[in-house]
Amino acid sequence: SQTIHQWPATLVQPVGSPLSLECTVEGTSNPNLYWYRQAAGRGLQLLFYSVGIGQISSEVPQNLSASRPQDRQFILSSKKLLLSDSGFYLCAWIGSGGTDTQYFGPGTRLTVL
Amino acid sequence: GNSVTQMEGPVTLSEEAFLTINCTYTATGYPSLFWYVQYPGEGLQLLLKATKADDKGSNKGFEATYRKETTSFHLEKGSVQVSDSAVYFCALSGAVWYSSASKIIFGSGTRLSIRP
Repeated sequence: SQTIHQWPATLVQPVGSPLSLECTVEGTSNPNLYWYRQAAGRGLQLLFYSVGIGQISSEVPQNLSASRPQDRQFILSSKKLLLSDSGFYLCAWIGSGGTDTQYFGPGTRLTVL
Repeated sequence: GNSVTQMEGPVTLSEEAFLTINCTYTATGYPSLFWYVQYPGEGLQLLLKATKADDKGSNKGFEATYRKETTSFHLEKGSVQVSDSAVYFCALSGAVWYSSASKIIFGSGTRLSIRP
C-alpha cells in the first residue's frame, strides 16, 4: 500500500533563517506531488505541484521554492523565512494513470518567530 | 475557472443531530467531487468521493450525492457523534490542460463541533 511521509512534524524557526521540508511517498511510482499551505483557521492554498523529476509548477509567487530530486521525493525550501510563512504545510500525491483522488501526508507545522 | 463554495462555519450540533454541510461548485466538464476531513493537528483524509452525476459517495455514515442540475455535493449524516468533530473540505478535481497533473480545488473548509 502507499504511504506518504513528511518531516519534520513541527518546526520553529527565526525570521530570516532557511527552510527545508521533505516529503516522500512509498508504494507508487511517478506520482503527481503537491505542496499546500494552510494558515491558521483557513483553507488550503496550493503552492507547487510536480508531474515528474525536476518538473515544478508554481501556483503562487512567493518566498518559497520546491524541488523534486527523485521520483518520490518533494522538497519545499526557503532561503529566508518571513513571519507570513507560518502555517501548516501539507504534501499530497495523486497516482499516475488517470486517477484523481489525492492523498495527504500528516503535515508540518511551521512557526516563524 | 473551477471553484468550490461551502457553507461558512463553525457548525455546532448536539450528539445524534442530523448534519448537512452545503457545497456547490462551478466547473467545466465533468469533474470528480470529494469530501475530505481534517482532524485536529492532522493532514486531510479522503472521506468520500463521487465521479459522475447522480453518484452517491458514502463512508462512516456520511453521504453526498453528485447533483449536476444544482451543481451541488452536500454532505449529510443522520446522527453525528462527538468523534465527528473536525474540519470538512469539499473539493473537485480539474485537469491541468498543459500537463498531466490533476489539480484538486478545495473549498474553504467548515469546522464542525459536536456537543456531548
